[in-house]
Amino acid sequence: QKEVEQDPGPLSVPEGAIVSLNCTYSNSAFQYFMWYRQYSRKGPELLMYTYSSGNKEDGRFTAQVDKSSKYISLFIRDSQPSDSATYLCGTNSGGSNYKLTFGKGTLLTVNP
Amino acid sequence: NAGVTQTPKFQVLKTGQSMTLQCAQDMNHNSMYWYRQDPGMGLRLIYYSASEGTTDKGEVPNGYNVSRLNKREFSLRLESAAPSQTSVYFCASSERGGAWQPQHFGDGTRLSIL
Repeated sequence: QKEVEQDPGPLSVPEGAIVSLNCTYSNSAFQYFMWYRQYSRKGPELLMYTYSSGNKEDGRFTAQVDKSSKYISLFIRDSQPSDSATYLCGTNSGGSNYKLTFGKGTLLTVNP
Repeated sequence: NAGVTQTPKFQVLKTGQSMTLQCAQDMNHNSMYWYRQDPGMGLRLIYYSASEGTTDKGEVPNGYNVSRLNKREFSLRLESAAPSQTSVYFCASSERGGAWQPQHFGDGTRLSIL
């Protein structure tokens, strides 16, 4: 079983839709959870990161972590064509562990 | 504000050739990382440098070497390139190690080995 599983999509939605992106993970030691956005031919750009369970909101974006079910979500409200990108979830167990474990990414297209 | 700069952006090599990928950051970060990104495999850590003067292996270090030249620069070397090393290579940096200090990525080097 992969440590982090992410549906690669592709996911296509109309402008203004609410988008839900999800990952599951298997290692209960993971404590830090993050979402990166990657535009075509660009490097990953950090969107949000959270520690442990709960919700974190930043504008149109909400990150949610449920450690009991090992489930990570990113919600995008009022989606825009500029949100079209690949979204990567990442995790880390903290401490002296430098390794980020990433999902494979979900390709999202928001159609005008 | 440059952030993390990688050179070159594109490169084509023949099998057996050597190559050094360069990375520099201007954020005064302590930790730097090299990843490769392949279709269907996601991002995988090759090597990292927790601080100037230290380097450690990541998930897929075979076939690569690294040098932390100074606090700003971290290079990745392919001594004898193989077609399996065709990939997009990303350099990243963080203020210090650990996930609570987010990693900031460059725009990558696209490497093809024939």
